[in-house]
Amino acid sequence: QVQLVQSGAEVKKPGASVKVSCKASGYTFTYYYMHWVRQAPGQGLEWLGRVNPNSGATDYAQKFQGRVTLTSDTSISTAYMEVSSLRSDDTAVYYCATQDFGSPDYWGQGALVTVSS
Amino acid sequence: DIQMTQSPSSLSASVGDRVTITCRASQGIRNDLGWYQQKPGKAPKRLIYAASSLQSGVPSRFGGSGSGTEFTLTISSLQPEDFATYYCLQHNSFPYTFGQGTKLEIK
Repeated sequence: QVQLVQSGAEVKKPGASVKVSCKASGYTFTYYYMHWVRQAPGQGLEWLGRVNPNSGATDYAQKFQGRVTLTSDTSISTAYMEVSSLRSDDTAVYYCATQDFGSPDYWGQGALVTVSS
Repeated sequence: DIQMTQSPSSLSASVGDRVTITCRASQGIRNDLGWYQQKPGKAPKRLIYAASSLQSGVPSRFGGSGSGTEFTLTISSLQPEDFATYYCLQHNSFPYTFGQGTKLEIK
């Protein structure tokens, strides 16, 4: 069965960077895009971007271009999302999700990133 | 960016009711739309893909319809486990965009 297991919660100071991992199992990692979505406390869902694990190609929401970096390591079936220059409004739960039939399908459990001085 | 306008933002209903949630896209998106259910503290779960295709394992009381700019999610007979927040997502063009969500509460 498909499983996406994300790294744990992080607390960072404003201006720092954070890197969240997403380890995939139960399917061929290189076959499906990996998406990243975030959800601020009490708010809705926001799409950040996606990475093609096979080629490394990425698509980003313009809002996050230059501040979010999506990568993958096929040798360990793991995708990564790094956010730099963190601000307080980056406090959110960050989810990874595989794509099937064009949209995110299986989701990780989420990783809470708290940005606080 | 394509704006997804979801309505209503909240809805009170009773077990057994039929409910409909609507998403309107700011421009045509063919059938590139999914519907998601999210319960507190949990990751979203996809119910519908390609606007009207039922995700495997999802009860048949959930249904999706629409194409172009108008889409609906219908729950034919609400069950206690259906009280949650629902989101639509367009994946026709980047950036993918979600509706603002509909919180379905027990009346």
